[in-house]
Amino acid sequence: EPEVTQTPSHQVTQMGQEVILRCVPISNHLYFYWYRQILGQKVEFLVSFYNNEISEKSEIFDDQFSVERPDGSNFTLKIRSTKLEDSAMYFCASSGRSDYPRLREQYFGPGTRLTVT
Amino acid sequence: AQSVSQHNHHVILSEAASLELGCNYSYGGTVNLFWYVQYPGQHLQLLLKYFSGDPLVKGIKGFEAEFIKSKFSFNLRKPSVQWSDTAEYFCAANTGKLIFGQGTTLQVKP
Repeated sequence: EPEVTQTPSHQVTQMGQEVILRCVPISNHLYFYWYRQILGQKVEFLVSFYNNEISEKSEIFDDQFSVERPDGSNFTLKIRSTKLEDSAMYFCASSGRSDYPRLREQYFGPGTRLTVT
Repeated sequence: AQSVSQHNHHVILSEAASLELGCNYSYGGTVNLFWYVQYPGQHLQLLLKYFSGDPLVKGIKGFEAEFIKSKFSFNLRKPSVQWSDTAEYFCAANTGKLIFGQGTTLQVKP
């Protein structure tokens, strides 16, 4: 069964450094998402991406964040200058074609645990 | 604002006990609801989903959920839990993006 994969599984970085989290969505999926979960808190939506453009982003997704699909398989989340509060588990998800956004079933990757020191 | 809330944060049951995890949503439009499970060390997996039609939906591993529109609820049930059901359970509403509840940690004692 096809799966969403994410690398690395754990990333430790110093405050102020740039990090890139990588995801390989399921191959025939068209919609891509990033979510994060700060320890002890809810899973929160960050951004959705379709047709090489951001479809929707949350208030969390400020100018420090960017997403890119650099080739036909990878989907990346970049944090330009990490802060302590960026420490969280970051999940990538993808979904296939559907005319109705609400009906798109999202498949999640295993997550990348980002620790900012 | 759209929101999803789960009442139980940590549930401990013995094997063979029945399970019901509460989920309430707040959303003005047509709602599509999901339950996801995250086993220790694994990724979020879809347990079941409600889009329309029969409000009682059956998912994998013997789980089911009932959509009660009048109560804005989508509670997850299982008649008899197993030790392997130990996991974190998330209720979510899909508005184009997923809005998650806080999650419920289920611990099943053998």
